[in-house]
Amino acid sequence: KQEVTQIPAALSVPEGENLVLNCSFTDSAIYNLQWFRQDPGKGLTSLLLIQSSQREQTSGRLNASLDKSSGRSTLYIAASQPGDSATYLCAVNGETSGSRLTFGEGTQLTVNP
Amino acid sequence: NAGVTQTPKFQVLKTGQSMTLQCAQDMNHEYMSWYRQDPGMGLRLIHYSVGAGITDQGEVPNGYNVSRSTTEDFPLRLLSAAPSQTSVYFCASSYLGIYEQFFGPGTRLTVL
Repeated sequence: KQEVTQIPAALSVPEGENLVLNCSFTDSAIYNLQWFRQDPGKGLTSLLLIQSSQREQTSGRLNASLDKSSGRSTLYIAASQPGDSATYLCAVNGETSGSRLTFGEGTQLTVNP
Repeated sequence: NAGVTQTPKFQVLKTGQSMTLQCAQDMNHEYMSWYRQDPGMGLRLIHYSVGAGITDQGEVPNGYNVSRSTTEDFPLRLLSAAPSQTSVYFCASSYLGIYEQFFGPGTRLTVL
């Protein structure tokens, strides 16, 4: 059974800092991995999707990497801003899971002005 | 495009009552799914559909029914609400299950 772990559970940084969020998964047979952002009381916003054949994806200040063989992904946020404060979730779409996403519990990020 | 829409946004039920959570998408996506989000449990898949007329169970299907009569709509029915079904419910869709998935804003359900 696929398990997804996100470390740290919470992170507080000063504005302007570059930071890395970590996601690990136990079964490397995946179609893709998706990073989401969730603001308090809101839905999930898709940030980046990395296909299993890709090593990284970039969108603006965000860069996500994928090392499928080691079961790891990172989300790099450059020059963090207070507006980046949210919970970040990673989700794995496994080959043996019928297209269901398996989610980590998220990293709660606070960027202090 | 409105994307994925869900109604209602909030709902309070009494134990034993039934209700339907609505989900619609206007992106012509074949794959739709329902998740519930609970503290300490993350998001868990309830039911999913790979196209009109086809549904299947996810990880936590007990107490819920679904049907898919059109590509656009995927309602989730609570047959007899229980306090354990207090949760936030999210609907998601994608072109195919292995593509990027898009989530609705959620329905916050409280069962007393």
